[in-house]
Amino acid sequence: DQQVKQNSPSLSVQEGRISILNCDYTNSMFDYFLWYKKYPAEGPTFLISISSIKDKNEDGRFTVFLNKSAKHLSLHIVPSQPGDSAVYFCAAASYNTDKLIFGTGTRLQVFP
Amino acid sequence: KAGVTQTPRYLIKTRGQQVTLSCSPISGHRSVSWYQQTPGQGLQFLFEYFSETQRNKGNFPGRFSGRQFSNSRSEMNVSTLELGDSALYLCASSLGTGNEQFFGPGTRLTVL
Repeated sequence: DQQVKQNSPSLSVQEGRISILNCDYTNSMFDYFLWYKKYPAEGPTFLISISSIKDKNEDGRFTVFLNKSAKHLSLHIVPSQPGDSAVYFCAAASYNTDKLIFGTGTRLQVFP
Repeated sequence: KAGVTQTPRYLIKTRGQQVTLSCSPISGHRSVSWYQQTPGQGLQFLFEYFSETQRNKGNFPGRFSGRQFSNSRSEMNVSTLELGDSALYLCASSLGTGNEQFFGPGTRLTVL
């Protein structure tokens, strides 16, 4: 049972435009959500997180939006840069554990 | 501050052998978690340790085990290796629950 889903396996965006990566979850008990960026053969790099009590968190070019009623979160990257090309994973967790439940990832390609 | 380190980076074993992977967390981090990444299953949680205690375990067979030492360094062991154990094994550390986890570069295990 996939508790965290990323339904778009890939996304292609032109440099300078907005990239929107989506993530859906089924467990309403998750307390916080995270986004990670990953290059092949490397460990994931933490990007941004959001608590379930918030609906938006912003850090530079990255903004995460959380819609609890829809059990949906999204990561916005503005403006997109070629260096953003990577696989992006969303993850969910509860406050009583460090166990992260990962989505299947979305491969973002930013072209000039 | 040094990041999470994992050794070895690459490992080749044959079926039936056993393997031990090592992880050194970021200084001051007491929580260490392990994940397995495969093309088919994505990032799957293995186990989580805090102050030398296993706090959570993923849905993996008993051949997978781990431990944490008093200096927070952690090891995971896989016995009686199977072809399907070929994967990237990732270690992550954090200050504790509710804080973002930082990942190491991973150990690429190939079972022949």
